[in-house]
Amino acid sequence: DAEITQSPRHKITETGRQVTLACHQTWNHNNMFWYRQDLGHGLRLIHYSYGVHDTNKGEVSDGYSVSRSNTEDLPLTLESAASSQTSVYFCASQGFSGSNHEQFFGPGTRLTVL
Amino acid sequence: GENVEQHPSTLSVQEGDSAVIKCTYSDSASNYFPWYKQELGKGPQLIIDIRSNVGEKKDQRIAVTLNKTAKHFSLHITETQPEDSAVYFCAASLGVAGANSKLTFGKGITLSVRP
Repeated sequence: DAEITQSPRHKITETGRQVTLACHQTWNHNNMFWYRQDLGHGLRLIHYSYGVHDTNKGEVSDGYSVSRSNTEDLPLTLESAASSQTSVYFCASQGFSGSNHEQFFGPGTRLTVL
Repeated sequence: GENVEQHPSTLSVQEGDSAVIKCTYSDSASNYFPWYKQELGKGPQLIIDIRSNVGEKKDQRIAVTLNKTAKHFSLHITETQPEDSAVYFCAASLGVAGANSKLTFGKGITLSVRP
C-alpha cells in the first residue's frame, strides 16, 4: 500500500548541530509539506513543494531548509539547531488534481534540542 | 495572509451528546475548508471537508457547515462516542489542489467524550 513515512521518529540533538529529518511518500504526489506542531500554536507550515526542484517558504521558515530532488522525498534540514526548534514535525503529501486533494500526514518526528 | 481562529481550546461532552466546534477565517478568497482529526501519537487525518460553493456536507455522524458571509465554518458531531476523543483542527486554503492548496490551520481543540 502507498504510504508516507518519516524518520527518525525521535531525535535528541544539541544546540548548533545540523539535523535532517526525512520524509518519503510512495503515492507519487506532486505536493509535499512540512509542519511543526507546538502546544498553543497548532500546525504551522514551515516549507512546501509543488514538484521536483520547487520549494517555497511557509509561515515559520527561518532556520529551516528543504530541497526536492525527486518526487518521493522532501528532507527538512535544521541548519543550526536551536532550543526553540524543539517540536513535533509532520510531513504531508497531496495529489495535484481536484479529485485527489487530501493531504496525507506522516506519523511525525519528535525533535528535542538540548 | 490567511488567519484561522478556533475556539475554545478544549471541549468536554457526555457520550451520546452532540459536539460543535467553530472556526473563523479572515481571507474571503479562501474556498476550501477541511477538518482533521488527530489521535494521540499520530498524524492528523482528514475527516470531512467543504468547498465554498456548498453550505453543508454530511458523512454519517459528522457534518460541516459553512457561512461565507460571516466567514465561519463549524464541525458537528452527533451521538458522540469515546473514540471521538481527539484533537480536531480546522483549516482553510485558496484552492482544493495544485498551487493554491497550502493550508492554514487553526490551533486545534481537544475534544473529550465522557463515558
